[in-house]
Amino acid sequence: GDSVTQMEGPVTLSEEAFLTINCTYTATGYPSLFWYVQYPGEGLQLLLKATKADDKGSNKGFEATYRKETTSFHLEKGSVQVSDSAVYFCALSDPTGYSTLTFGKGTMLLVSP
Amino acid sequence: NAGVTQTPKFRVLKTGQSMTLLCAQDMNHEYMYWYRQDPGMGLRLIHYSVGEGTTAKGEVPDGYNVSRLKKQNFLLGLESAAPSQTSVYFCASSPRGQPQHFGDGTRLSIL
Repeated sequence: GDSVTQMEGPVTLSEEAFLTINCTYTATGYPSLFWYVQYPGEGLQLLLKATKADDKGSNKGFEATYRKETTSFHLEKGSVQVSDSAVYFCALSDPTGYSTLTFGKGTMLLVSP
Repeated sequence: NAGVTQTPKFRVLKTGQSMTLLCAQDMNHEYMYWYRQDPGMGLRLIHYSVGEGTTAKGEVPDGYNVSRLKKQNFLLGLESAAPSQTSVYFCASSPRGQPQHFGDGTRLSIL
């Protein structure tokens, strides 16, 4: 079945550092790919998405490119802020099905001033 | 503009008790989902619904039942709670083929 693997955390960075969170997937067909973010005590919020190969999703300074050849969707940000501290989830969805999501285990990001 | 609302936010149960979690969405979305979140496990799909009156099993459906009698509501039931069902439960909704919107979660402890 479908699966998502993302790097284990926590990832600890200083403010203004460069961020990469790795995500790779296994799926049949051509899934849609997502990054969700969860702030403490809250639900998940969609951060960005990509629906086909070579698409780049971007939002709030975060970017991720759908790489079919490496089955990856790595999350990047050029300069993190303390307010980016959260748990980040990579997920995929079969666009031909009922949009159910398969999640990675999540990566906690801690940014210090 | 409430989005997805989950009730209650916190609950403590004893083993063997029953309860129902309520999810309500005001966005007229066709699809609704229930997930559970456990440490180190990410989110796992319990049940989902693609329309009023329809439900389907997800990855971890055992011990749970659901109902979607109205389009805006999706209920998750635990008939006989077990400690293994201690978790944070998230409801989500989406239009067909679009990203999901999540509620803030229900933290459930079973003693």
